[in-house]
Amino acid sequence: NAGVTQTPKFQVLKTGQSMTLQCAQDMNHEYMSWYRQDPGMGLRLIHYSVGAGITDQGEVPNGYNVSRSTTEDFPLRLLSAAPSQTSVYFCASSYSTGTGETQYFGPGTRLLVL
Amino acid sequence: GQNIDQPTEMTATEGAIVQINCTYQTSGFNGLFWYQQHAGEAPTFLSYNVLDGLEEKGRFSSFLSRSKGYSYLLLKELQMKDSASYLCAVRDILTGGGNKLTFGTGTQLKVEL
Repeated sequence: NAGVTQTPKFQVLKTGQSMTLQCAQDMNHEYMSWYRQDPGMGLRLIHYSVGAGITDQGEVPNGYNVSRSTTEDFPLRLLSAAPSQTSVYFCASSYSTGTGETQYFGPGTRLLVL
Repeated sequence: GQNIDQPTEMTATEGAIVQINCTYQTSGFNGLFWYQQHAGEAPTFLSYNVLDGLEEKGRFSSFLSRSKGYSYLLLKELQMKDSASYLCAVRDILTGGGNKLTFGTGTQLKVEL
């Protein structure tokens, strides 16, 4: 299993540009999430999905869109990039064991918006 | 909402024991997680507590007191490779199913010789 994969690893954007951060998992997990991590702020939830066709907003959703057409993929779209979106983005997936749910994180995408 | 507090930095000696504390306030607690994150890498799962008490897993143990809103991660026989950030995260069950984790800002642990 490849686990959770993210592309690209690094990206530089200009203000106003749009782009899609890709996330895929091959563990047949129902639950997938997007987080951003900023110094001194911890990981913050952007959007999440509890299954194909179902998405919802997290703590900091503004400026981001998601869709979940398949179980495997959960792309994050930046509609019009802003410098405040400079961050490290992590995708995560999880399953339910009944006694606890372990989230598996992708390697992250480092985004710089100029 | 949730509020999670943990110390920003800690330093300990190789071979020693260190305890990293986490306090939280939440409206719908349903489990507490500890993650380890090395610089430039993704977080990796260490432990999970949903009931009060101590969970032991090798050199790592995690304790939970729900009535006090308190958890700690105990690392024994510290090794240099344990130098990392340790993230406390509290889980809420969502109305539509699934889970939401709220993370603390992390404790940066430095292990010295």
